[in-house]
Amino acid sequence: AQKVTQAQTEISVVEKEDVTLDCVYETRDTTYYLFWYKQPPSGELVFLIRRNSFDEQNEISGRYSWNFQKSTSSFNFTITASQVVDSAVYFCALSEIAGNYGQNFVFGPGTRLSVLP
Amino acid sequence: DGGITQSPKYLFRKEGQNVTLSCEQNLNHDAMYWYRQDPGQGLRLIYYSQIVNDFQKGDIAEGYSVSREKKESFPLTVTSAQKNPTAFYLCASSIKGRIRDIQYFGAGTRLSVL
Repeated sequence: AQKVTQAQTEISVVEKEDVTLDCVYETRDTTYYLFWYKQPPSGELVFLIRRNSFDEQNEISGRYSWNFQKSTSSFNFTITASQVVDSAVYFCALSEIAGNYGQNFVFGPGTRLSVLP
Repeated sequence: DGGITQSPKYLFRKEGQNVTLSCEQNLNHDAMYWYRQDPGQGLRLIYYSQIVNDFQKGDIAEGYSVSREKKESFPLTVTSAQKNPTAFYLCASSIKGRIRDIQYFGAGTRLSVL
């Protein structure tokens, strides 16, 4: 079973629309971290946010906001007033303890967001 | 500027050939990683190193080899045993490889088979 599920494979919106990218994760650990990364067409993954499992406070950074709900194992990402530059593949990732080497970092399959002018 | 440098950006492999992808970081990070990304898919871990002269296999290590002789360098060799090497390869590093550590990525190497 996938540890990190991003059910939306592709989303298209028109500029200035709001869009939410879903992320559902699975872990038995009580201590873990969740991340979002952006992969623009250039290919490099860009870190957006990190959240630990004990901090359910929602976060807003400019047009970006994140909603972490432990009860539903979800960590959703909303872009308000989307722009063409937001077009990219977005990955959600789970970091949990791995017995041998400390960190097991698992990526979801990604959601491709296209923002049309 | 601190960061992770991957080279080359594009690489072509002939049948039966081994090729080596370079990854260098000047962030003074202990942990380094190699991931493979296939079209429309997420990232899969190939190898991981938390310290010099030590590395661990990831989920898809077969057909690949690595070395970690220096803290700043973690080259990946795609051997002839890897029958389907065409993919986008990403190198990453983090401070210590702890669960809270952010992984930072290079710009990637796109490998194709001739």
